[in-house]
Amino acid sequence: QQQVKQSPQSLIVQKGGIPIINCAYENTAFDYFPWYQQFPGKGPALLIAIRPDVSEKKEGRFTISFNKSAKQFSLHIMDSQPGDSATYFCAASIAGGTSYGKLTFGQGTILTVHP
Amino acid sequence: DGGITQSPKYLFRKEGQNVTLSCEQNLNHDAMYWYRQDPGQGLRLIYYSQIVNDFQKGDIAEGYSVSREKKESFPLTVTSAQKNPTAFYLCASRGLPAEKLFFGSGTQLSVL
Repeated sequence: QQQVKQSPQSLIVQKGGIPIINCAYENTAFDYFPWYQQFPGKGPALLIAIRPDVSEKKEGRFTISFNKSAKQFSLHIMDSQPGDSATYFCAASIAGGTSYGKLTFGQGTILTVHP
Repeated sequence: DGGITQSPKYLFRKEGQNVTLSCEQNLNHDAMYWYRQDPGQGLRLIYYSQIVNDFQKGDIAEGYSVSREKKESFPLTVTSAQKNPTAFYLCASRGLPAEKLFFGSGTQLSVL
């Protein structure tokens, strides 16, 4: 009930490509969905987040698409660059109050962008 | 320079030993969290604290203990009861009521 399933495990694209990472959740009480980016040996950093009242959110080259009925959301990276090579995690939580920091994370996707 | 400082970066534990991981923040955040990261897995919540002198268990608290005596500090002790302690440990904080979590750079704990 608490799981967030993320795919693929790893992804290789050429510079300028559009990698897509998918996540599916089970708990219908989840209503806050952030994506984190992590470089080797570092902690994750918040990239972009969405709530289920919208179906899409864009910030720069990063876009989240959200499908509430399917309980799925995805991250698209436009015009990917070698500097985007990192591990990406989707996450979910119940919004509000004390729950925001209690995130359930997906398993992570290792993205490699070749020059 | 505001942020979260975790120390040490690398830590080795012997059998039967308790070890303590340090987490200090100067962001004036009320809430602090400890997550564990294993290779190929997502992060899992160990303990969290919303306020000084109060903390709650997360999803995998067994074999761990914490304290929150100061707003800035949230140390994690990995006890000898934790039979599989090798992992990357991440501390995070959040300024209430904001939603964004800020993470430290982590501590890699290994068993000798």
